[in-house]
This record gives sequence, C-alpha cells and structure tokens, in this order.
Amino acid sequence: KNEVEQSPQNLTAQEGEFITINCSYSVGISALHWLQQHPGGGIVSLFMLSSGKKKHGRLIATINIQEKHSSLHITASHPRDSAVYICAVLYGNKLVFGAGTILRVKS
Amino acid sequence: DGGITQSPKYLFRKEGQNVTLSCEQNLNHDAMYWYRQDPGQGLRLIYYSQIVNDFQKGDIAEGYSVSREKKESFPLTVTSAQKNPTAFYLCASSEQFGDEQYFGPGTRLTVT
Repeated sequence: KNEVEQSPQNLTAQEGEFITINCSYSVGISALHWLQQHPGGGIVSLFMLSSGKKKHGRLIATINIQEKHSSLHITASHPRDSAVYICAVLYGNKLVFGAGTILRVKS
Repeated sequence: DGGITQSPKYLFRKEGQNVTLSCEQNLNHDAMYWYRQDPGQGLRLIYYSQIVNDFQKGDIAEGYSVSREKKESFPLTVTSAQKNPTAFYLCASSEQFGDEQYFGPGTRLTVT
C-alpha cells in the first residue's frame, strides 16, 4: 500500500470551475511537495510546505499536520491547467510520491 | 540561465547493452536525484546524492549505478542487469536534500 494516497485519480472539469485535489499520508513528515507534470513529461515544483497554507496565483496549497492531509486548490481553472498533479512527502531521508491526479480542464 | 539538463531526450538501445544517461545542473545545488516513471505509476527514486562523492540507493536501485564526481553532474548508468529498463527517467536537483526540487526534461529510454 502506498504511503501517499491521492484523490481523485482522474478529474475532468469545465473551464472556470474550482478544483480540489487531495493528498493523504500515513506517517509524520517534515515537508510535503506538490508537483505538476505536463503531457510532454516535464515536471515543475508548485509548492513545498510543512504547515499552514501557501498561495501562488490561482493555486492554493494547504496542509493539516494533525490530520495528515493536504489539498491543492485551483481557482478559475483553465485548459492550460490540464496536467498530472503529484503529491510527495518527505520523512527522514525518504521521499515518497503519490501516483498522481490526472486533471483535464475542458473549454 | 540556471537550470538542469538531461540528454538525450530519446534513447534507444539493444537488450544487454549498458547505457548512461546524462544529468547536469548549474544551480549550485548540493543534492541530486534520479527517478524512474512508468506509465500510470508514480515517480520512484532510483538513487540520490546529498553531496559530491556521496550517493545512496533509493527504492529501486537494482540494475542501476551512479557517480557524483562533480557537483554539477550526476550520470545514471542503466546496466544489463536491469530487467525492465524501458521507462521515462527524470533527474532533479535541490539546494539541500528534501528541499524544493528542480526537474530536468527527462530521457525516454527504450530497450528492445
């Protein structure tokens, strides 16, 4: 069983919708990363957080350490947001990745 | 421009041959990583290096080898011992281990 679970696995939204992707983990962590992978394969780091909330443009990431849960929100979604969103957690010297959420935003 | 480069983008090899994938960064980062990605699966860590001349096995190191002789370079060799080498390979770096990672564009290796 993967120590990092993402939901949903697949998500289709209409342009303009508010999107939430969830990440749950089972161990105490020192940091959590959200990554974005585009269809060509390139990966971009979106956020690294260990507590609270971070915002960058239309993207917001939150983490609840007690509940071992993080969410990535996209406001006013756009077709260019279509990508795979990956959650990864760091504990000790170990990095563990979720399987990713495939997001498709239709115009 | 600072960044991380991988070459080549596509690589084809015959079964039984060793192949080395290149990864170079000019971000002055101490930590570097190699990941493998298979269709429909998450990233899996092959090897990582926290500092020059040091590296550790990740979750799926069997059939792979690395070196870290220079801070900016972390080449990965896929040996003939790797049973299923066809995959997408991604290299990344970060200032320190566990920090925000910067990824290269990846190398898609096909072994037939």
